[in-house]
Amino acid sequence: DIVLTQSPGTLSLSPGERATLSCRASQSVGSTYLAWYQQKPGQAPRLLIYGASSRAIGIPDRFSGRGSGTEFSLTISRLEPEDFAVYYCQQYEKSPFTFGPGTKVDI
Amino acid sequence: QLQLQESGPGLVKPSETLSLTCAVSGGTVLSASYFWGWIRQSPGKGLEWIGSIYYTGSTYYNPSLKSRVTTSLDTSKNQFSLRLSSVTAADTAVYYCARSSSWYFDSWGQGTLVTVSS
Repeated sequence: DIVLTQSPGTLSLSPGERATLSCRASQSVGSTYLAWYQQKPGQAPRLLIYGASSRAIGIPDRFSGRGSGTEFSLTISRLEPEDFAVYYCQQYEKSPFTFGPGTKVDI
Repeated sequence: QLQLQESGPGLVKPSETLSLTCAVSGGTVLSASYFWGWIRQSPGKGLEWIGSIYYTGSTYYNPSLKSRVTTSLDTSKNQFSLRLSSVTAADTAVYYCARSSSWYFDSWGQGTLVTVSS
């Protein structure tokens, strides 16, 4: 299985600041087979980014993704209060499709 | 707008079979563009893809669960289902149904907590 490692585990920031989250894969997932999700307490994950860098419908442009191979990142350019949540990466290069353990962005 | 809603027992006894259904509204399980899947989330194992089904009935399962998982479609009710046999406490989790396109999950149900306990 492809193992995804996310860092840091927790990111403590303030509204208006920039957040950069990392996702590392145990083997290459190509340049497109990586997605990012946001999850708030008591809610299902919400798709933010697919194909490593394409924003899902309705996702604000302050969210951006980049990377390829085994190194990927999600950047939130200016944190809004509603962005404080847990973020997961997911690879879909190879079955079984796996998720990272998450990065919590809190105040 | 697509909506997914899980339903099923919240408590299952060890060694029994967990059965969940996902009702789809605002879309059709007969779409050739999507797969219909199940993902679970537990404190110990995080998010785990269980399996998915295509409108043709083709199924795709996580090898770690494959021996215990069955997914099916009910096109007359526009819903799909999950069965997980021989459950243990390790199967206690929030179970989500979701739609996937190219194997990323673009729409999710709200999730349902299933506890395995006698």
